[in-house]
Amino acid sequence: DIVMTQTPLSLSVTPGQPASISCKSSESLVHSDGKSYLYWYLQKPGQPPQLLIREATNRFSGVPDRFSGSGSGRDFTLKISRLEAEDVGVYYCMQSFQRPLTFGGGTKVDIK
Amino acid sequence: DVQLLESGGGLVQPGGSLRLSCAASGVTFSIDGMGWVRQPSGGGLEWISGINNNGNKAYYADSVKGRFTISRDNSMKTLYLQMNSLRAEDTALYYCVRQVTASGDDASDVWGQGTMVTVSS
Repeated sequence: DIVMTQTPLSLSVTPGQPASISCKSSESLVHSDGKSYLYWYLQKPGQPPQLLIREATNRFSGVPDRFSGSGSGRDFTLKISRLEAEDVGVYYCMQSFQRPLTFGGGTKVDIK
Repeated sequence: DVQLLESGGGLVQPGGSLRLSCAASGVTFSIDGMGWVRQPSGGGLEWISGINNNGNKAYYADSVKGRFTISRDNSMKTLYLQMNSLRAEDTALYYCVRQVTASGDDASDVWGQGTMVTVSS
């Protein structure tokens, strides 16, 4: 199984400041079509996860442009350019390159 | 609006069975891959099963293979998860998810609110 490792485990950020989360996979997630099958989700308190970024770099419909995804191969990053209070929660990366689909352990983001 | 509504969770003894259902609305459903993801209380996310749009391809995590069966009724826009031989470690919130493609083994863009399964004597 592909192992997804997220760092840091937790992050406290002042509103308006940037935040960055790393996700590393144990194998390359680059498909023959050139896409990296890496996804980012945010699970706000008491809610199901919501999709933020698909195929490593594409913002999902309705996601604010302060969220951006980068990376390819085995190293990926989610960046929040200016944290807002509504962005608190647990962020997960997930790969769909190979079955079984696997998630990272999560990064908890809260307000400093 | 796309909505997924899970039902069927509850308390069951080890070795018992449950059948989860997920009713979809606001979606075509028959063109969508669907699946189940679970989350233990205070824990992370685990993909456990997916099914393609036609229902003729199903995929499972090793942790549930041979015990759980995913199925769908496109005419009823409903997804199912039959869970047999339940174990304490199956205790979790079970989310129904719609996938971004029809394949059955892809990421999810829509999640239900979840239904809780507790396996305990």
